[in-house]
Amino acid sequence: GAGVSQSPSNKVTEKGKDVELRCDPISGHTALYWYRQSLGQGLEFLIYFQGNSAPDKSGLPSDRFSAERTGGSVSTLTIQRTQQEDSAVYLCASSLGRDHETQYFGPGTRLLVL
Amino acid sequence: DQQVKQNSPSLSVQEGRISILNCDYTNSMFDYFLWYKKYPAEGPTFLISISSIKDKNEDGRFTVFLNKSAKHLSLHIVPSQPGDSAVYFCAASVSSNTGKLIFGQGTTLQVKP
Repeated sequence: GAGVSQSPSNKVTEKGKDVELRCDPISGHTALYWYRQSLGQGLEFLIYFQGNSAPDKSGLPSDRFSAERTGGSVSTLTIQRTQQEDSAVYLCASSLGRDHETQYFGPGTRLLVL
Repeated sequence: DQQVKQNSPSLSVQEGRISILNCDYTNSMFDYFLWYKKYPAEGPTFLISISSIKDKNEDGRFTVFLNKSAKHLSLHIVPSQPGDSAVYFCAASVSSNTGKLIFGQGTTLQVKP
């Protein structure tokens, strides 16, 4: 079956521009997560959607970052007025949403801010 | 504040030998721990997990050990195979928010034939 897909796979943008990153979770998965991996760093939690509950936004680094999940499926992570320090691989994952369910990751979007 | 730390950025072992990857954590509220494996240009894939009520969990060649008093966990791979060469991340969560995984920085394992 299809796994988690993300688009675009690579994105190069200029400082100050807005970017949108898309995630298509595994069908039937109620939970969706965004992480980012900066060069040489581990995965940093950004935001977590679980069903119709309010998302856990505790990992978003600034108010330039936002995410939404439409219809309980596809999610978009938006970064406004991008900065060079936003350059990273942005990873999306999904799970069945039950306690300790395995999170399945997509291949990531590699973002480069010039 | 790095709550989950993997202090060894890299490890090299010979095929057939044991690989031991280490992870330390600072938050005593963590009660569930996981290991993920990541190949270049791919997302991480789940490998093995352990609850804080256990001190060992085994799955084939992979065993995870948890030492709660030392706030330390380790992943043992025996025997190591060249296909195990990847970046290994440990992660932790708390029961009240199991979806929020806190990851370490990763350890790059190279298994030489």
